[in-house]
Amino acid sequence: GQNIDQPTEMTATEGAIVQINCTYQTSGFNGLFWYQQHAGEAPTFLSYNVLDGLEEKGRFSSFLSRSKGYSYLLLKELQMKDSASYLCAVNPGTYKYIFGTGTRLKVLA
Amino acid sequence: DVKVTQSSRYLVKRTGEKVFLECVQDMDHENMFWYRQDPGLGLRLIYFSYDVKMKEKGDIPEGYSVSREKKERFSLILESASTNQTSMYLCASSSRDRPEAFFGQGTRLTVV
Repeated sequence: GQNIDQPTEMTATEGAIVQINCTYQTSGFNGLFWYQQHAGEAPTFLSYNVLDGLEEKGRFSSFLSRSKGYSYLLLKELQMKDSASYLCAVNPGTYKYIFGTGTRLKVLA
Repeated sequence: DVKVTQSSRYLVKRTGEKVFLECVQDMDHENMFWYRQDPGLGLRLIYFSYDVKMKEKGDIPEGYSVSREKKERFSLILESASTNQTSMYLCASSSRDRPEAFFGQGTRLTVV
């Protein structure tokens, strides 16, 4: 079967660092994606990993370990506007994407 | 910037009605998708299309059909709307050359 797991909710303080984990079991692998979704809005693309290692993009970084079926999204210098849901998704090697249920992040002042 | 536009932001329909949700993308993407998003269930794929007139069932196609007569447009059809189809519907598109999908703003459909 195809399965993607991520925590349901996380809370962190403004200015802090937070790590959102994602584990996956899929029939194939052709890349892992992170999306940000604010309440009532469309998901927006944050990052893409297809090889092991860390990809850094400003305050956001994403890590992948294919052998462990594991990824994390690291958010630094948290801001109030980072309060959103973060979706982990995998392309199993076909045209389509499989999504986790999302992690709702609440940033507190 | 890629733009994926869905025809309606909010829709209210009656049980048994035929419902059309339209999606248009302006980046000449080959692939287009329809997802529904429900609390606690995440995004679930209904149908996708990898070329004009081509379509494949996703994970939850029952009660839905799709049409892709032109490359830029992908329509989702609810043949006879039911209350369990009340949901947020998200259209997305992607290119064969770039891995990420781009989403429309979503249509919140309520079936009463």
